[in-house]
Amino acid sequence: EAQVTQNPRYLITVTGKKLTVTCSQNMNHEYMSWYRQDPGLGLRQIYYSMNVEVTDKGDVPEGYKVSRKEKRNFPLILESPSPNQTSLYFCASGTGSNPDIQYFGAGTRLSVL
Amino acid sequence: SQQGEEDPQALSIQEGENATMNCSYKTSINNLQWYRQNSGRGLVHLILIRSNEREKHSGRLRVTLDTSKKSSSLLITASRAADTASYFCATRTDFNAGGTSYGKLTFGQGTILTVHP
Repeated sequence: EAQVTQNPRYLITVTGKKLTVTCSQNMNHEYMSWYRQDPGLGLRQIYYSMNVEVTDKGDVPEGYKVSRKEKRNFPLILESPSPNQTSLYFCASGTGSNPDIQYFGAGTRLSVL
Repeated sequence: SQQGEEDPQALSIQEGENATMNCSYKTSINNLQWYRQNSGRGLVHLILIRSNEREKHSGRLRVTLDTSKKSSSLLITASRAADTASYFCATRTDFNAGGTSYGKLTFGQGTILTVHP
């Protein structure tokens, strides 16, 4: 089954404790992206990757890091999480380096205390 | 305010009725898309309409695009309880950086649709 898989689905952590949210897709997509969803703000893009080793900032990249060493994986790293990073995070992927349509994972709900 | 703004923020109807959601945007777009999000799940792509198209249909979905008014509407006909979800419009704008063309997808805040059995 074609899918975008995020782990974990739920995470509660404390301020300053480094964490990684993994994202994997099995559709051989070149493009991958991370979004955060907050009430009243919709989805905002954090980082995106147009292919392996090609990443760039989205609208809200501060406090996040990403890497794209393999085509299928695009982990999101929070080096020193803060409470304002409490949010619902989505990973997405798409065909080609510049896709029209994106396919989303089920989401990771993160709480930073 | 954001590129994509949706109206209404929430809509409650009875099964069998039609549901109409609207999206307005500010800048020129390449295309406009609608996505659905069921509670606790990721977004699922529903339909895409390009800037040179005015209307598109997919099953019970009808999307219109008026580029002169920078607005779009999504109509769901004969709604079902299973249509209960949040619906987001997303506009794609293209820009050039370093000689390469990039497409940026910007999402609205969404309309929460509740269909009562």
